[in-house]
Amino acid sequence: AQSVTQLDSHVSVSEGTPVLLRCNYSSSYSPSLFWYVQHPNKGLQLLLKYTSAATLVKGINGFEAEFKKSETSFHLTKPSAHMSDAAEYFCVVITIQGAQKLVFGQGTRLTINP
Amino acid sequence: NAGVTQTPKFQVLKTGQSMTLQCAQDMNHEYMSWYRQDPGMGLRLIHYSVGAGITDQGEVPNGYNVSRSTTEDFPLRLLSAAPSQTSVYFCASSYGTNSPLHFGNGTRLTVT
Repeated sequence: AQSVTQLDSHVSVSEGTPVLLRCNYSSSYSPSLFWYVQHPNKGLQLLLKYTSAATLVKGINGFEAEFKKSETSFHLTKPSAHMSDAAEYFCVVITIQGAQKLVFGQGTRLTINP
Repeated sequence: NAGVTQTPKFQVLKTGQSMTLQCAQDMNHEYMSWYRQDPGMGLRLIHYSVGAGITDQGEVPNGYNVSRSTTEDFPLRLLSAAPSQTSVYFCASSYGTNSPLHFGNGTRLTVT
């Protein structure tokens, strides 16, 4: 069965410093992986997706993620945090059944300090 | 382009009451799904549909019914609300199996 583990429930960084949100996955086949962002009282918005093309995926708002099969990881990074990046971030894997049976990580709350 | 529209935004129910959460999308997406979001648990799939007339259960289907009579609409019914169903509910749609989901803004439901 597919699963996703977000290694940090809360990450706090200063504005202008790098962001790293960690995600490990478990899958018996080559997965499709996403990162979503959720701002307070809002729905989820797609940041980026990996679907077995380039292993380094660039998303919106300066975020990117690298798929590392040997480490079963899909960590999300951004070189310089902005106050508007404060939100909840979810790492997501599509299951082998496809058909949008997604498995979500527990979420990482990102706080940006001025 | 409205995307995915959920109504209502907020709802308070008493235990045992019934209600329907509405979800509509105007992107002609075949796939639609319902998730519930609880603190520390991410989002969990309740029911999903791969097209009009076709629905299936997700991870946490008990206490919820769905139907898909049109491509656009995918309502979620609570037949007899329980406090354990207090949650934030999200409807989502997508174009195909490996396509990203588009989410609505959610319905915050409280059952007392």
